[in-house]
Amino acid sequence: EDQVTQSPEALRLQEGESSSLNCSYTVSGLRGLFWYRQDPGKGPEFLFTLYSAGEEKEKERLKATLTKKESFLHITAPKPEDSATYLCAVQVYGNKLVFGAGTILRVKS
Amino acid sequence: DGGITQSPKYLFRKEGQNVTLSCEQNLNHDAMYWYRQDPGQGLRLIYYSQIVNDFQKGDIAEGYSVSREKKESFPLTVTSAQKNPTAFYLCASSWAGQPYGYTFGSGTRLTVV
Repeated sequence: EDQVTQSPEALRLQEGESSSLNCSYTVSGLRGLFWYRQDPGKGPEFLFTLYSAGEEKEKERLKATLTKKESFLHITAPKPEDSATYLCAVQVYGNKLVFGAGTILRVKS
Repeated sequence: DGGITQSPKYLFRKEGQNVTLSCEQNLNHDAMYWYRQDPGQGLRLIYYSQIVNDFQKGDIAEGYSVSREKKESFPLTVTSAQKNPTAFYLCASSWAGQPYGYTFGSGTRLTVV
């Protein structure tokens, strides 16, 4: 069974305190791994797609990396506006995405 | 601007009622999806459609029904057979068969009263 596990479930950071979110996966055939940001009461917003081990993508304070078994979302010097739920998803057969439960990030000033 | 529109934003259902959630996209995407989101759980796939007049059950299809009569529209009906319908419902679309990200709507929060 295809599974995606995110850790930690929740993370509290002080403004400027860098950290990483983890997404581990067990799938039969990875076609792509996706990171989304979701604000309360809103739909997920696309951040990154990673396709192969060793690939990295960056956007402002966020950097996503991929290995054969997991992905990390590194947050450098976060600001309060980075507070959100971060979702990881993997694409398997067809075009379906399997989602993890998400990491709730709170950044305090 | 291209995007996905879900309506209504909030919906209240009485016991035994069927309700329909609307999803419209103007991105010319082939595929559309319905997900359910509950606190502490990941998004779970209800139904998806890769082409007009065709759709497949996802992981939690019981108590739900869909139609895909137009490329732009993919309404979801929550029937009285769904025993625990209170949740946040998300519609998404994408290019069929390609490993590209989904575009999501803003969601509908359904509450049973």
